[in-house]
Amino acid sequence: DADVTQTPRNRITKTGKRIMLECSQTKGHDRMYWYRQDPGLGLRLIYYSFDVKDINKGEISDGYSVSRQAQAKFSLSLESAIPNQTALYFCATSDFLAGGTGELFFGEGSRLTVL
Amino acid sequence: AQKITQTQPGMFVQEKEAVTLDCTYDTSDPSYGLFWYKQPSSGEMIFLIYQGSYDQQNATEGRYSLNFQKARKSANLVISASQLGDSAMYFCAMRLSNFGNEKLTFGTGTRLTIIP
Repeated sequence: DADVTQTPRNRITKTGKRIMLECSQTKGHDRMYWYRQDPGLGLRLIYYSFDVKDINKGEISDGYSVSRQAQAKFSLSLESAIPNQTALYFCATSDFLAGGTGELFFGEGSRLTVL
Repeated sequence: AQKITQTQPGMFVQEKEAVTLDCTYDTSDPSYGLFWYKQPSSGEMIFLIYQGSYDQQNATEGRYSLNFQKARKSANLVISASQLGDSAMYFCAMRLSNFGNEKLTFGTGTRLTIIP
């Protein structure tokens, strides 16, 4: 099983619908992130959380919200989906260790299409 | 704020040749880390290599090496003896090292195609 699991892997929805993307991890990491990937734009940070009580906006948080239900779970919601939120979404985790790299461990991605 | 720039949207390289993927970064912080990730057509993100700003030597991992030129703020990825399986998107990323600010900022990526 993957260390970072995203559900659903693919979703097609209509404009105005509420969508939740879920992420769970078994790595025991404190830090969790949501990124979106668009062609030509790379990965952009939506929200991140450094522990259960900590939620921070990234560079493109408008139209999104998150919930950190537990150390291992971090979900992303689109309250009213719009077509320009069509993208590949990644959840990632990291564990800041003194002297460590802080490398991100990614889920497999959730491809969302908003019609 | 930190910024990562990858100026090569796409590259075509003959199999078995070496390839250099360019990455420049901008930050005023003295302590940071630089990463390269590979994204094959299947979509997953694969960590390749890491370089810390205080590391004295260039990082190497098998056929991957990172040409770190701190004064020029560049962190180019070098792949030696390219293989067909190296065809993928490659992303450069940077992370600041101060506690509580460890999120990664990514470049826009380079699509590498290896020609048989």
